[in-house]
Amino acid sequence: QKEVEQDPGPLSVPEGAIVSLNCTYSNSAFQYFMWYRQYSRKGPELLMYTYSSGNKEDGRFTAQVDKSSKYISLFIRDSQPSDSATYLCAMSPLGAQKLVFGQGTRLTINP
Amino acid sequence: GAVVSQHPSWVICKSGTSVKIECRSLDFQATTMFWYRQFPKQSLMLMATSNEGSKATYEQGVEKDKFLINHASLTLSTLTVTSAHPEDSSFYICSARDPGGTFSYEQYFGPGTRLTVT
Repeated sequence: QKEVEQDPGPLSVPEGAIVSLNCTYSNSAFQYFMWYRQYSRKGPELLMYTYSSGNKEDGRFTAQVDKSSKYISLFIRDSQPSDSATYLCAMSPLGAQKLVFGQGTRLTINP
Repeated sequence: GAVVSQHPSWVICKSGTSVKIECRSLDFQATTMFWYRQFPKQSLMLMATSNEGSKATYEQGVEKDKFLINHASLTLSTLTVTSAHPEDSSFYICSARDPGGTFSYEQYFGPGTRLTVT
């Protein structure tokens, strides 16, 4: 079993829809939870991060962490074609150097 | 924001030759850099963690003698693929942590290098 599981998709939705992306994990030591966005043939860039459980909102993006269920989500409201990319969740225990990435979900927003 | 560059962005080499990829942090000093490999439509596979001035720590299954990593300064790490074979063809991405950044766990990624071995 992988430490982090993420549905690779692909996921295709119409413009303006609410998108829900999710990851599950098995390592209870994970404390930091991140979402990266990667456009085709580019390096990933950090979208949002949260520490421990709870919600965090940044514009159209909301990140949620439920440590009791070992489940994290990223919601995108009013999705735009420019949001079309691969979204990777990443996690880290406290004090660790490296991140553990999910497989990434390919998202396409159709105009 | 912190910027990481990679060079070259694309390289084609013949089987049996060696290729060097450079990763630079442009506006911060990176004590730790990471090298990843990414296959089409797949996630990032961590190859090694590189700390300035010390030997790299390789992930299980990664051949140390084939993928040579040198982190000679706080702004430069290099990955050399030795005696490349077609199965080494992939997208190689480096990242760096900025110890002085707002979120120390964030990794800043380079744009990647596409290696094609013929």
